[in-house]
Amino acid sequence: AQKVTQAQTEISVVEKEDVTLDCVYETRDTTYYLFWYKQPPSGELVFLIRRNSFDEQNEISGRYSWNFQKSTSSFNFTITASQVVDSAVYFCALRLNRDDKIIFGKGTRLHILP
Amino acid sequence: DGGITQSPKYLFRKEGQNVTLSCEQNLNHDAMYWYRQDPGQGLRLIYYSQIVNDFQKGDIAEGYSVSREKKESFPLTVTSAQKNPTAFYLCASSTLTTWFEQFFGPGTRLTVL
Repeated sequence: AQKVTQAQTEISVVEKEDVTLDCVYETRDTTYYLFWYKQPPSGELVFLIRRNSFDEQNEISGRYSWNFQKSTSSFNFTITASQVVDSAVYFCALRLNRDDKIIFGKGTRLHILP
Repeated sequence: DGGITQSPKYLFRKEGQNVTLSCEQNLNHDAMYWYRQDPGQGLRLIYYSQIVNDFQKGDIAEGYSVSREKKESFPLTVTSAQKNPTAFYLCASSTLTTWFEQFFGPGTRLTVL
């Protein structure tokens, strides 16, 4: 069975600190896609990044970076020099190549304190 | 601007009434999805559709119904059979290519009194 686990339910850090959100996934498929979404207080989910199972290269986009490690089935998300606007719920998600559905983790609520 | 619209943002209904949530997209996406989100929970799939006049049940379809008469529209009806309908409902759409992400609407918060 496929599963996405975000063990951190809620995290609070002071502004400008770095923070890492953990994501562990389970699948026996060899072809799959991983996603991160941000849900600000307004409620709409905003797409952040997509990764396919054959591309383990880490990615950096401004203050955001992602570490994909197939050996540990993890796809962690790091925010460097956090800002108050980063406060949101962040979801990690998994989609199999053979499936139409996305499996979401339960999300991590991130509070950035001024 | 291309995107997904959901209306209304907040909806209140009395227990026992059916209610229909609207979802429209102008992204020319073939696939559309309905999710339910409860506090502290992830998104759970209710129904999805890949083509007009066809749809499939998700993980929690009981008490819900959908239609897909037009490519752009995928309304969700919350029926009186849904035992706990108060939740945040999100609509999404995507292309049929599996490696593309889903785009989400702003959501409708339904409260049943």
